[in-house]
Amino acid sequence: ETGVTQSPTHLIKTRGQQVTLRCSSQSGHNTVSWYQQALGQGPQFIFQYYREEENGRGNFPPRFSGLQFPNYSSELNVNALELDDSALYLCASSLLPNTGELFFGEGSRLTVL
Amino acid sequence: SQQGEEDPQALSIQEGENATMNCSYKTSINNLQWYRQNSGRGLVHLILIRSNEREKHSGRLRVTLDTSKKSSSLLITASRAADTASYFCASDPNAGGTSYGKLTFGQGTILTVHP
Repeated sequence: ETGVTQSPTHLIKTRGQQVTLRCSSQSGHNTVSWYQQALGQGPQFIFQYYREEENGRGNFPPRFSGLQFPNYSSELNVNALELDDSALYLCASSLLPNTGELFFGEGSRLTVL
Repeated sequence: SQQGEEDPQALSIQEGENATMNCSYKTSINNLQWYRQNSGRGLVHLILIRSNEREKHSGRLRVTLDTSKKSSSLLITASRAADTASYFCASDPNAGGTSYGKLTFGQGTILTVHP
């Protein structure tokens, strides 16, 4: 158990809809990173939030956005869903400044029809 | 986006045998990490090796790092059926206090350990 919780665990949306995924960080961690993992692939970095500010972004379009709250919980929002957005979305918390070890939640599996 | 490569893509062994997985990455790194994932669930951190280290041990795990070849290997000794999972290497390209944790993952190695 990492202490990182994500919700919902599974959800189904249709193309063009919007989705919000939620993450509660491990106690004491100040950083949240989000990753997208397509079936059979390794996770890809979406973005990271540190002290409520975006602290780096991967190669994802602006329709992927996020928030980090004062209690260090986080949301990932995806607008105008596309079929290729179907994936496992993983949230990971960590403590910066420190080494880059990440503590992952179990993920939210999104299916876009 | 760029991802590292892992080799082999799948590995099937018997309990008690050793399992070796290899990883290559593309950019200079601060550290390299290995994670384990069971059946599409969350990833679990196994071990981290810094760019100035060449070898590291943790229990039955041994990791090596060759920065000149941009490669790493993970050895699991005396494997068990419970080691069956996907294993991913992840490179952390940045140095500096607030730049850690933006990892580039490999494609993964699926390890199956038969009882």
